[in-house]
Amino acid sequence: DVKVTQSSRYLVKRTGEKVFLECVQDMDHENMFWYRQDPGLGLRLIYFSYDVKMKEKGDIPEGYSVSREKKERFSLILESASTNQTSMYLCASSLRTASSGANVLTFGAGSRLTVL
Amino acid sequence: AQKITQTQPGMFVQEKEAVTLDCTYDTSDPSYGLFWYKQPSSGEMIFLIYQGSYDQQNATEGRYSLNFQKARKSANLVISASQLGDSAMYFCAMTLYGGSQGNLIFGKGTKLSVKP
Repeated sequence: DVKVTQSSRYLVKRTGEKVFLECVQDMDHENMFWYRQDPGLGLRLIYFSYDVKMKEKGDIPEGYSVSREKKERFSLILESASTNQTSMYLCASSLRTASSGANVLTFGAGSRLTVL
Repeated sequence: AQKITQTQPGMFVQEKEAVTLDCTYDTSDPSYGLFWYKQPSSGEMIFLIYQGSYDQQNATEGRYSLNFQKARKSANLVISASQLGDSAMYFCAMTLYGGSQGNLIFGKGTKLSVKP
């Protein structure tokens, strides 16, 4: 069964801590994404990557960075966590975009981060 | 700018009845795809159905159908014969094929509750 695995389902961190959220996919997908989900705001794109060592900013990249050293792994990094980064974080992956056709994103189960 | 609008924060439906979840989108790009995802309380996003902007027929997948009205820029999800397990958040999303690398723009979601 194909999967996107997020290493931590629940995390509690202190303000100012460095936080790593790890995501691994086993589908040999080129594209990987990090979204943030907040009630009433839907999902918002933080960063995405379309190849190893490549990254692109999404809609809300401030306060976050990413790393993609291997095709299957995409890490989200909060250099200095703040309380307003308390949220659900969703990782997803997909095949490289075709000119048409359903480029379905496959999502992980999510990581719920609380920053105190 | 591209945008997805879901105007129904919450919906109730009686078990075994049909329900329509509204979605309108805004883009000037002629080539795009529209998606619906389901998110149960467990948190994982589940792909339901896809419609391409050039598709002539409305998409159907089992009990799900997408009512695509291109001129009105709407892509409503119709769930027939609702089941208790359909209770979840539902997100409409859009991707552009003009170089966005496949990331999805999401609406804010509709919470569907199925009553027995």
